[in-house]
Amino acid sequence: GAVVSQHPSWVICKSGTSVKIECRSLDFQATTMFWYRQFPKQSLMLMATSNEGSKATYEQGVEKDKFLINHASLTLSTLTVTSAHPEDSSFYICSVRGGTVAYEQYFGPGTRLTVT
Amino acid sequence: AQKVTQAQTEISVVEKEDVTLDCVYETRDTTYYLFWYKQPPSGELVFLIRRNSFDEQNEISGRYSWNFQKSTSSFNFTITASQVVDSAVYFCALRSPNFGNEKLTFGTGTRLTIIP
Repeated sequence: GAVVSQHPSWVICKSGTSVKIECRSLDFQATTMFWYRQFPKQSLMLMATSNEGSKATYEQGVEKDKFLINHASLTLSTLTVTSAHPEDSSFYICSVRGGTVAYEQYFGPGTRLTVT
Repeated sequence: AQKVTQAQTEISVVEKEDVTLDCVYETRDTTYYLFWYKQPPSGELVFLIRRNSFDEQNEISGRYSWNFQKSTSSFNFTITASQVVDSAVYFCALRSPNFGNEKLTFGTGTRLTIIP
């Protein structure tokens, strides 16, 4: 399966600032990546589907102007949380869609964001 | 709409006991994929199994086994002779097999604690 990395693994920022999270597919060219969000002790919720070279598709209720997604290459997608607030504190996980028949998703290790 | 229900929020068992994690799903798709993931305290999702809906054979992998019952829309996961390293949150998930519609719907997870 694909090896996926995320950077940073954790970040603390002040309210009102913007934070960029990177998701890299290290050994696979990923035309599609996914961004999930997980609040403490809760399930993973899909935020958006990131397609290389085109605009991301956001799930209902996710503010696209607040969570900017850029998928400029086949190995990198970025999620920028703009004007972060404490309620944006969460665990953000990306995944890469694989090329098998089952279109498996391979997950990154996650990024823990804390907004103070 | 797809839905995954994991009714057991938390389970604690003594080491070496067997434990079964329940998963019930809802979907209108005639074919679909079911998954189990393990999320240890580090946060990274660990893929455990993928099951195609037309394959109802139960599967065993070491101490892990899965019971897929299409008639009751259940996909239960059993760990035999549990070990402390099995302590984690376990997620059941459901997905359409169609290209371009790979959204994973996760259950709320079951937190498993193995008591030494």
